[in-house]
Amino acid sequence: DTGVSQDPRHKITKRGQNVTFRCDPISEHNRLYWYRQTLGQGPEFLTYFQNEAQLEKSRLLSDRFSAERPKGSFSTLEIQRTEQGDSAMYLCASSRLRDRDSGELFFGEGSRLTVL
Amino acid sequence: AQSVTQLDSHVSVSEGTPVLLRCNYSSSYSPSLFWYVQHPNKGLQLLLKYTSAATLVKGINGFEAEFKKSETSFHLTKPSAHMSDAAEYFCVVSSTGFKTIFGAGTRLFVKA
Repeated sequence: DTGVSQDPRHKITKRGQNVTFRCDPISEHNRLYWYRQTLGQGPEFLTYFQNEAQLEKSRLLSDRFSAERPKGSFSTLEIQRTEQGDSAMYLCASSRLRDRDSGELFFGEGSRLTVL
Repeated sequence: AQSVTQLDSHVSVSEGTPVLLRCNYSSSYSPSLFWYVQHPNKGLQLLLKYTSAATLVKGINGFEAEFKKSETSFHLTKPSAHMSDAAEYFCVVSSTGFKTIFGAGTRLFVKA
């Protein structure tokens, strides 16, 4: 069963460093989402792609954050000049584009970022 | 535009008593609605979904939810709580062409 996979699962970095997370969605899924979740909070929407097109970005996604999905398959989320406030779990999810299942998200296990 | 509001941040019940977690939504289009559960240090798991078929939806672990368009609600219920139900529950709304968004979550506590 090839679900959504994220890498790395854990990342500890020093403030000011750059980090990159990768997400491999379920292969037939057109949509790919990035969410951020901090302790005690629900997942906050960051951005999503439909195939290779980035359709929407949250105001949470400052100019230090960039996401790509170059070939409409895997996606990367890069955070430049990390700050302690970036410490969170970064969740990737994918879904089908069409039909009534388009809203059902399949989540990866997340990439936990700790910025020291 | 769409939004989702979970009316309670915390709910506490005794084991064996009913559970009610409340969710209201707003959507300009016919939405799909979901409940996800997240146990401590675990990933998000789909409990159930409503996608314009039957308004009463049955999910895993004995949970149900009823879609009420007139009340714009999608409350989650379970007749009898179990200790293992203690977790965070998220109501989620999605419409074709719009992003999927999460409610703030309701933490369910189950007392022995």
